Parts: sequence; structure tokens; C-alpha cells
Amino acid sequence: DIVMTQSPDSLTVSLGERATINCKSSQSVFYDFRKKSNLAWYQQKPGQPPKLLIYWASTRESGVPDRFSGSGSGTDFTLTINSLQAEDVAIYYCQQYYDIPWTFGQGTKVEI
Amino acid sequence: EVQLVESGGGSVQPGGSLRLSCTASGFTFSSYWMHWVRQAPGRGPVWVSRIRSDGTTTTYADSVKGRFTISRDNAKSTLYLQMNSLRAEDTAFYYCTRDWDSTNVFDNWGQGTLVTVSS
Repeated sequence: DIVMTQSPDSLTVSLGERATINCKSSQSVFYDFRKKSNLAWYQQKPGQPPKLLIYWASTRESGVPDRFSGSGSGTDFTLTINSLQAEDVAIYYCQQYYDIPWTFGQGTKVEI
Repeated sequence: EVQLVESGGGSVQPGGSLRLSCTASGFTFSSYWMHWVRQAPGRGPVWVSRIRSDGTTTTYADSVKGRFTISRDNAKSTLYLQMNSLRAEDTAFYYCTRDWDSTNVFDNWGQGTLVTVSS
């Protein structure tokens, strides 16, 4: 199985500041055919299911604010939240969809 | 608007069975692969199973293979998960999810149904 490891486990950021979350896969999730990495990011607020934010490592899902951005390729990825808002308090998960079983990171809790 | 509504969760003793259902609306259900993803309280999500849009192909995580069966009724826009020989470690919220563009990215999630396995 591909193991997804996120860092840090939690972080506290001031309103309007930047939050940076890292995700590392135990093997490359780069899909040669598409020239893209099979990596997604989700946001989960308390009492809610996860919500898709980003796929192909850097493509924002429709309706996701542009303060959310994804970067990286191969095995190392980053989710950046610019100008953190109060509604961004949540747990963020990365997920690889390169190989079965599809696996998630352990999550990073973002607080203000 | 895409809606996925799970039902069928509850409390069951180890070794017991449950059948989860997920009723879909707001999209052409028969055109999409669908998945079940579970999440134990305080833990990250874990993929459980998937089924092809026409129901002809299914895949399972090793932890549930041979115990769980995924199925669908496209005429009723409903996804199912039959869970047998339940164990304490199966305790979790179970989410029905839609597969975006057959990529195994989960673009829509239901609110989940809680399964508790305990004696």
C-alpha cells in the first residue's frame, strides 16, 4: 500500500496569515500517461464529511476559493492556504489515487 | 444538486451483519463509479470498496474482502454495502462517495451513517 504521511499533525495560524501543509507519499504517484500526479486534498469540518478541494495535485475543484492552492509532484506535495479565514478551521487530508488501495494521510488540523 | 443519503447504520454485536444503503439524486447515477469510504471517530478516512457504473466490476480493501459486498441498483439510484462477520475494528462512519470522472477522486460525499460493533 502507498503510505501518505502529512506534516505537521496540527498548526495554529493567525487570521490573514498563511498555512502550509505537507504530504509525502511512500512511492511516486506521478501518472506518466497524463503527466500529472494522482494526489487530491480534502477539507473536513467538524461533524461534516470531507470535501474535495484539489485534484491532480494543483487543480482546484469548482467553487473552491483561490486562497487554496496545491503544488508538488512525484512524492512531495503541499497545500497552501493564503490569508487564512475563520471558516478554514478544519482537518485537511491528502489522498493518493494512483494505486489500489486508495489511501489518505492521517490529517492536519488547522486552528486559529 | 448532487445528494447522497446513507442509511442502515446502527449497533451490532461482533459477528453480526448490516446492510447499508445510499440513495443518490441530482445526477445520472448509472454513469458513475461509486465508492464506500469509512472513518473511525478521530481517525482519517479509509477506502473500503468501489463498484463500476454498470455494476460489473467491484474492488475491495483487503481488510473487508470476503466479508463485505458492494452492489447497486441503477433503476433505483441506490448503492449498497452488505457487511457480514462484523468486527470491532469495523466501527466507523460509512460514507457513500461519487467517483469523479472514473479517477478514484471522491468529488461528492454523503453525510455518513454510523456503524458500531460492540458486545
